[in-house]
Amino acid sequence: AQTVTQSQPEMSVQEAETVTLSCTYDTSESNYYLFWYKQPPSRQMILVIRQEAYKQQNATENRFSVNFQKAAKSFSLKISDSQLGDTAMYFCAFMTRGNTPLVFGKGTRLSVIA
Amino acid sequence: GAVVSQHPSRVICKSGTSVKIECRSLDFQATTMFWYRQFPKQSLMLMATSNEGSKATYEQGVEKDKFLINHASLTLSTLTVTSAHPEDSSFYICSADAGGEKLFFGSGTQLSVL
Repeated sequence: AQTVTQSQPEMSVQEAETVTLSCTYDTSESNYYLFWYKQPPSRQMILVIRQEAYKQQNATENRFSVNFQKAAKSFSLKISDSQLGDTAMYFCAFMTRGNTPLVFGKGTRLSVIA
Repeated sequence: GAVVSQHPSRVICKSGTSVKIECRSLDFQATTMFWYRQFPKQSLMLMATSNEGSKATYEQGVEKDKFLINHASLTLSTLTVTSAHPEDSSFYICSADAGGEKLFFGSGTQLSVL
């Protein structure tokens, strides 16, 4: 069974600064997909970034980027130029292939401070 | 991105009654949908996998007779909480598989059982 671990229950960052959220996972699969989701107070799940394990290049989406270390089974999220609107719960998630469910970590509550 | 509509967003019911929650994919067909439950300040916990035209697959510990899932078409899955009790109060959220290892989430339903 796959597991996802987020070891930072809460984090805070000053506005405009950079913050990194950690995520590790465990799997015996060779091909899989990794995700970071944002859940603001509205509780809508918003996809932040997606990484395919067979791609060595780290995914980036504007201010969001990942550091994917396949051998170490690590998938951290870096948020640059943090904004107040980034305040939310962030979930790291794993999926083996299509039509299978996402496995979520416990989440990291991020607060961006003005 | 693709849109998943979930209704109702909030429901309050009396103990012993049944509540139906709908999850619709508006601009794509989803042969597979997933139902999650989320307690306050916790992560999403998979309840069941819903496949169009076949019986749902329930996770261990989830009562299939209490949480009835029907996936009668490629765009609609329903979750019915039967004989609801206060301990069933929770946030329920669905996701739909749009193919290409892309999942989209509904906006969730907050169920409160009095």
